[in-house]
Amino acid sequence: AQSVSQHNHHVILSEAASLELGCNYSYGGTVNLFWYVQYPGQHLQLLLKYFSGDPLVKGIKGFEAEFIKSKFSFNLRKPSVQWSDTAEYFCAVNSNNAGNMLTFGGGTRLMVKP
Amino acid sequence: DGGITQSPKYLFRKEGQNVTLSCEQNLNHDAMYWYRQDPGQGLRLIYYSQIVNDFQKGDIAEGYSVSREKKESFPLTVTSAQKNPTAFYLCASAPGGGTEAFFGQGTRLTVV
Repeated sequence: AQSVSQHNHHVILSEAASLELGCNYSYGGTVNLFWYVQYPGQHLQLLLKYFSGDPLVKGIKGFEAEFIKSKFSFNLRKPSVQWSDTAEYFCAVNSNNAGNMLTFGGGTRLMVKP
Repeated sequence: DGGITQSPKYLFRKEGQNVTLSCEQNLNHDAMYWYRQDPGQGLRLIYYSQIVNDFQKGDIAEGYSVSREKKESFPLTVTSAQKNPTAFYLCASAPGGGTEAFFGQGTRLTVV
């Protein structure tokens, strides 16, 4: 069965530290990849997405992600986090091999200390 | 304003009762989704629909039912067969399968 894995469940960083959150998926075919963010008390928002082309994609608020097809990975990065980045982050994958179901990982809760 | 509306925001029901959660979108999107969010488990797909009058089971469809009679509406019924219905339920829509999804604010269901 298709699945999406996020290895870090909780991450605590100090402001200005660099961030990398892992995401791996387990199915083939053509994939579309997404990172969503859920700030406390708010609805899920799209951070960035990859459909095709340059595997390094840039999103909002200084986030970026790199699609590495050979590793089935789509890790999220940010060079310098801010306190306002405290949120829960979700990786999601959609594959034409899976009937276009949009499957989410378990989420990573990030806390940034001021 | 365009968007996805879930109502109500909070819902309380007694055990053994069916309850229907509303999801309406005015974005003219073809695809709609229902997810359940539990702490530490991310979002798990309950049902999704790519077109009117058609829907597919997700990973945790047991104890739930849906209908898609109109493009803009995708109600979810939590039946008494659902063993652990207390959760946060999120509805989403997308222009089509494979595109980014837009989410509603969610409904927190508590069964007592």
